[in-house]
Amino acid sequence: GNSVTQMEGPVTLSEEAFLTINCTYTATGYPSLFWYVQYPGEGLQLLLKATKADDKGSNKGFEATYRKETTSFHLEKGSVQVSDSAVYFCALNPYSSASKIIFGSGTRLSIRP
Amino acid sequence: KAGVTQTPRYLIKTRGQQVTLSCSPISGHRSVSWYQQTPGQGLQFLFEYFSETQRNKGNFPGRFSGRQFSNSRSEMNVSTLELGDSALYLCASQRDYNTGELFFGEGSRLTVL
Repeated sequence: GNSVTQMEGPVTLSEEAFLTINCTYTATGYPSLFWYVQYPGEGLQLLLKATKADDKGSNKGFEATYRKETTSFHLEKGSVQVSDSAVYFCALNPYSSASKIIFGSGTRLSIRP
Repeated sequence: KAGVTQTPRYLIKTRGQQVTLSCSPISGHRSVSWYQQTPGQGLQFLFEYFSETQRNKGNFPGRFSGRQFSNSRSEMNVSTLELGDSALYLCASQRDYNTGELFFGEGSRLTVL
């Protein structure tokens, strides 16, 4: 079946550190991949997406590359800020006949000033 | 452009009661999905509606139900509330069915005593 696995949190980093949050997926066919972010007290927001292999999604300094050979979509940012503290969710849309968007378990990120 | 609006934002109920939550999608969006978010289970898919028809359903008991109106607004209902139903209920809209780009509301936080 279709699934998303992302690294366990919480992740705590100092401001300006490099960030990687790992995400791997299992899916048949050609899913689209997404990263969503949830700031405290809010709903989820789409952060970035990639719709086919080797696509790179980017937004607000975050990047993720759709790697079909490793079935991965790792989230990266070169220099994190305190305002990046949030929960990050990796997700996929398998586009099968009865598909629904599948979310990973979420990774809580805390940035120290 | 107004975002996804959920009402009420907070509510407290007692076991055995029932609750109705409302969601108004972004204007022009025809698909509405509902998710339950808890610390232990993460984001769990409840159901998705498109053009007033339920297109997908998650693994929840029949106490959880929903519907969508002709103006795309949606409601979900939980009957015979249990303590374990305490959660943040998130509504998300999409322009069309199965695009993968979800726009979330801020959620309705339900506490069952």
